[in-house]
Amino acid sequence: IAGITQAPTSQILAAGRRMTLRCTQDMRHNAMYWYRQDLGLGLRLIHYSNTAGTTGKGEVPDGYSVSRANTDDFPLTLASAVPSQTSVYFCASSGFPNTEAFFGQGTRLTVV
Amino acid sequence: AQKITQTQPGMFVQEKEAVTLDCTYDTSDQSYGLFWYKQPSSGEMIFLIYQGSYDEQNATEGRYSLNFQKARKSANLVISASQLGDSAMYFCAMREDGGNEKLTFGTGTRLTIIP
Repeated sequence: IAGITQAPTSQILAAGRRMTLRCTQDMRHNAMYWYRQDLGLGLRLIHYSNTAGTTGKGEVPDGYSVSRANTDDFPLTLASAVPSQTSVYFCASSGFPNTEAFFGQGTRLTVV
Repeated sequence: AQKITQTQPGMFVQEKEAVTLDCTYDTSDQSYGLFWYKQPSSGEMIFLIYQGSYDEQNATEGRYSLNFQKARKSANLVISASQLGDSAMYFCAMREDGGNEKLTFGTGTRLTIIP
């Protein structure tokens, strides 16, 4: 692994199903983020984590949960998917304050 | 309240011209960082440039420069001598240093370079 990796790359999911998007980084970054990108709305922060063991809510946290059991992993869970959660999801991480965030390649999720 | 505002949904610029992409921000923190990212049609997010709130000089990275006007809370991206490969979405972002690491983005500007 080099950098930050998301899985899966894309997924079609039935409404009501539970889904976990995976995110792993090997840069030992403290901060990690989950965003959703929708046309015309830019990237909206769902949840973030300053360091292992802590998480915080972003702009659009409803319907999503996260955990940060260790430094490297930051999974995003949709407990019961709804069509409005159809989006492209990006995971990102950053090291020291005011250094750039590195992004995964994104997960395209379609909820039908 | 919107933290980051990008008022130009789309821009068309002639190749080799300079272009300025606008970004204004809202924060009460004294310490914060401002970032610009590029997202080409392939979808990846590419970091371009960073400006710290205490940096006295405007940041520059090759053809990219950041016109930082702290009193006006603006952080415009200037691309000199635009190229066809500059066609992409551009996002401005801010991270406040008030105890959390939230990194918030604007809605983006779609830049199209015309040959």
